[in-house]
Order: sequence, then C-alpha cells, then structure tokens
Amino acid sequence: QSVLTQPPSASGTPGQRVTISCSGSSSNIGSNTVNWYQQLPGTAPKFLIYSNNQRPSGVPDRFSGSKSGTSASLAISGLQSEDEAHYYCAAWDDSLNGVVFGGGTKLTVL
Amino acid sequence: EVQLVASGGGLVQPGRSLRLSCAASGFSFDDYAMHWVRQAPGKGLEWVSGISWNSVNRGYADSVKGRFTISRDNAKNSLYLQMNSLKADDTAFYYCAKDVMRDINFYFDNWGQGILVTVSS
Repeated sequence: QSVLTQPPSASGTPGQRVTISCSGSSSNIGSNTVNWYQQLPGTAPKFLIYSNNQRPSGVPDRFSGSKSGTSASLAISGLQSEDEAHYYCAAWDDSLNGVVFGGGTKLTVL
Repeated sequence: EVQLVASGGGLVQPGRSLRLSCAASGFSFDDYAMHWVRQAPGKGLEWVSGISWNSVNRGYADSVKGRFTISRDNAKNSLYLQMNSLKADDTAFYYCAKDVMRDINFYFDNWGQGILVTVSS
C-alpha cells in the first residue's frame, strides 16, 4: 500500500466543487510540502499543484491545494467533464529519503 | 518545448537486465535533476530513482535499491536506468521526468511518454 493515503474514488456533477484528501505522517506531509499530479486516461501525469497551493503556469485557478498538519487536500471548483482523471499527491519522505506518492484518486464527472 | 523520449523497454525474463534511456531536448538538461517514475498497469505512481544535475546525489526507492542504477550524460542530454535482477513486480510503464530543481526533489514539471517494461518468462 502507498505511504500517502487517498480515497480511491471521488465524483461530482458539472459545476460542483469536489475535494480530494491526502493523508500522511510527520516524516512526509508533516515536514515537507505537497505536490499534486493529474493523469488523464492514457496519458503521462501532469504537474498540477506544487508547494501545497501553487499552480504552474497554464493550470486553471479552478484547481487549488491546501495543507494542514499531516494532511493535504486538492479542491476542484466549477467541475468540468475534462477534469475526469486520476489525481495523485506526492511528498518527500525524510525517513525513506525519497519521494512518496498517494495511491491515486479516480475522479468521475457524473 | 520540453521533450523527454524514453527508449529501451520491452519483454525480459526474470533475473535478466535491461537499460532504459531518456533523450531530453528543449531545455538546459544539465541544469536540472531528473527522475524515473513507474506505474504498473492499472496501478498508481511509484518513484523509482532520481539524480541531481551533476550526478553527485542519487536516490532510490527501497524496492529497487541495489538492483537499479540511475545515471546521466549531460553532454548527450540523456538519462539512463540500468535495471538488473529484474522481477515480475518490476513490470510497469517507466516515465522519465524533469525536476524544477538542480538537486533531487519531487517537482516533476515535465514527463516523458512512458515506456513499458514487462518481466515475464
């Protein structure tokens, strides 16, 4: 199982706001920032959120991130059909001295 | 435009070796750390290894430590992954990914297309 814990699935209707959680520990999220990646079906992952809440250029402001303690969240507002994808959180783990990912959350737009 | 093109994947028997390559273009390759991230079919992402811009720092996931070796040739704008003693669990799509930092971090801002490695007899 993954070091970071995400719900396996999430869903929402167009226009809705959905959030995806990512739970870790003191050695990863608790002491380092969190990044998020979006993977559309059949494609390579895409850099979505970095340093907890920063968006790379080109990422719509409908996507936002937050972190509190050993947990982080990704929020998507104004949900669109093209947001249907897998979402992964990631952090550096000081104990493992490496990168750890969450297991991924499949977002379905109903 | 950043391009990362992986090659060298394929079918290999358990216990054998394989070397992946990733050709980079569109950016100053020797200014950034690089990584390999894999994804077993239908599964999540797993960081495999990373290397700093000058090859001084290298990191590995516990699952591959002692079997895989990451390297780079800045003169050729290329990243490599030497995989030895392959196991069925190593079957996955392997992505090369560019970091935004010089040293190993986890800000993968550009990804290659992924190449499939299948370990089976």
